[in-house]
Order: sequence, then structure tokens, then C-alpha cells
Amino acid sequence: AQSVTQLGSHVSVSEGALVLLRCNYSSSVPPYLFWYVQYPNQGLQLLLKYTSAATLVKGINGFEAEFKKSETSFHLTKPSAHMSDAAEYFCAVSERQGGKLIFGQGTELSVKP
Amino acid sequence: ETGVTQTPRHLVMGMTNKKSLKCEQHLGHNAMYWYKQSAKKPLELMFVYNFKEQTENNSVPSRFSPECPNSSHLFLHLHTLQPEDSALYLCASSQDKTSGREFFGPGTRLTVL
Repeated sequence: AQSVTQLGSHVSVSEGALVLLRCNYSSSVPPYLFWYVQYPNQGLQLLLKYTSAATLVKGINGFEAEFKKSETSFHLTKPSAHMSDAAEYFCAVSERQGGKLIFGQGTELSVKP
Repeated sequence: ETGVTQTPRHLVMGMTNKKSLKCEQHLGHNAMYWYKQSAKKPLELMFVYNFKEQTENNSVPSRFSPECPNSSHLFLHLHTLQPEDSALYLCASSQDKTSGREFFGPGTRLTVL
């Protein structure tokens, strides 16, 4: 069975600092991995996805994530946080193209001025 | 503007009420989904429709009844709900069930008194 663990339900960074949101997955087959962002009072938006091509995936808004099979990780990073990045971030895994998405519990990112 | 709209955005209902949530997508997609997002819990997939046919029911109680009259519209009929059903209900769509890219609506915030 697949699962996703997001380490830290809440992360706080200063504006301009590095953002690192952690995601570890469990999958018996090569996974498809996703990061979604949810701004207050809005639905989820896809930030980026890994589908077995390049291990470093670039997404929108300056975010990127690196697939590390040996660590079963897919951590999300952004070099310099902006106030507008404050939101909740969800990591998700699927066992195949179009397969059921299994979500992590989410990480709330706060950005301090 | 998102291609997936949901109405109402907020709903308060008593346990004996009957109400319906509506989702509409303007993307020409053929698959639609209902998710439940409860506080501090991962998103839970409830139902999947592919080309108007229900393909997945994730052990959802019968007090939740989905309806998909066409590929653009998805409803969730609610009756005799419990307070623990209070949550954000998110609708999503994708090109079809195998596309691997879901677009989410803004959600309906449901409170059951």
C-alpha cells in the first residue's frame, strides 16, 4: 500500500529564507509524486509533479522538488520565501498515471516579514 | 480563474436537513472527483466518475449520495449528516481517469450542527 508522510505540520520561515518542506513516501512500484498548494479559502493547485523523467522537477512560483529513490523522499524547496508563499502544502503519491492520489496530512507554511 | 467551480462555498445544515453540493467544470474533462478535507487529516478521496460512470466509492457512508448527470456536472447529495461530517468538500476534474492531472475547485465548507 502507498503512503505519504509530511514531516512537520507547520513550518515557519523568514521572508527571503530557504523553504524546505519534507515529504517521504512508501510505494511498492515506481511512484508518481505531486506537490499541491492550497491558499486560504481556495482549492488545491498543482505545483509540480514527478513522473519518472528528470529527478529534479521545477514547478510554478519558483518551487522545485527532487526525487531521491534511495531516501524515498520528494522534498519541496524554494531558495527565497515570499510572503505570498504562505499556504498549506500537500504531497501526494500515485502508483500509476491517473491512479488514485494518496495525500499527506499537509504542511502549513508561514512566512514572517 | 479556476476551470472548476463549486457552489455553495459555505453551507451550514442541521442533521435532519437535505442539501446538495454542486460542482461544474469548464475544461472539457471526462473524469470528476469528490474529496473530503477534514482538519489535520489528509485529503480523502470519496468518489470518482469517469465518463459519467462511477468507478470508485471509497467506502463512503450512504448519507452521501453522488450524482453525475453529464461530464461537466457533479453533485453530492447530503442527508441526515453527522457533526463529524463537517469538512471542506473539494471537487476535482481531469481529462479522464488516467490523465494523472487533477484540477481542483475551491471547495464547499460544510458545517453540520
